[in-house]
Amino acid sequence: DADVTQTPRNRITKTGKRIMLECSQTKGHDRMYWYRQDPGLGLRLIYYSFDVKDINKGEISDGYSVSRQAQAKFSLSLESAIPNQTALYFCATSDSIDRGRSMNTGELFFGEGSRLTVL
Amino acid sequence: AQKVTQAQTEISVVEKEDVTLDCVYETRDTTYYLFWYKQPPSGELVFLIRRNSFDEQNEISGRYSWNFQKSTSSFNFTITASQVVDSAVYFCALSDGANFGNEKLTFGTGTRLTIIP
Repeated sequence: DADVTQTPRNRITKTGKRIMLECSQTKGHDRMYWYRQDPGLGLRLIYYSFDVKDINKGEISDGYSVSRQAQAKFSLSLESAIPNQTALYFCATSDSIDRGRSMNTGELFFGEGSRLTVL
Repeated sequence: AQKVTQAQTEISVVEKEDVTLDCVYETRDTTYYLFWYKQPPSGELVFLIRRNSFDEQNEISGRYSWNFQKSTSSFNFTITASQVVDSAVYFCALSDGANFGNEKLTFGTGTRLTIIP
């Protein structure tokens, strides 16, 4: 099983619908992120969370909200989906340097992605 | 503001050729981190390397090598003796030095590399 799991993997919806993308991880990491990938634009950060009580906006948070239900779960919501939110969404996790782990490479561990199409 | 430029949108080379992927970055921070990620056709993102701004040593890992030059703000990636399995989109990314540098990655637009058998 993947360490970072995203559901659903594919979703087609209509303009105005509420959509939730869920992410869960078994890596025990404190930090979780949501990125969006668009062709020719690379990945852009939507929201990130350093722990359950810490939520931060990223570069493109407008039109999105998040919920950190537990250390292992971080959900992304589109309250009223619009066509330009059609994209590939990635959840990611990373470890905290506070644990003093010398093997921490600063790597982001990504889920397999959720492809969302808004008609 | 931070910026990462990958000017090469697509590159195609014949198998066994060497290929270099360019990455140029902009930042006002004195401490920052640079990354390379690979996205194969299956879509997942695979971490390749992280480099901090104080370490300009080049790095080699098998057929992969990275050339970090602060003087030109570049962090280029070379694949030696390319193989078909190297076909992927490669992303360069930059973050500031806060919190170990992995919470606000700025990604380049990616370079699609195709290795022709």
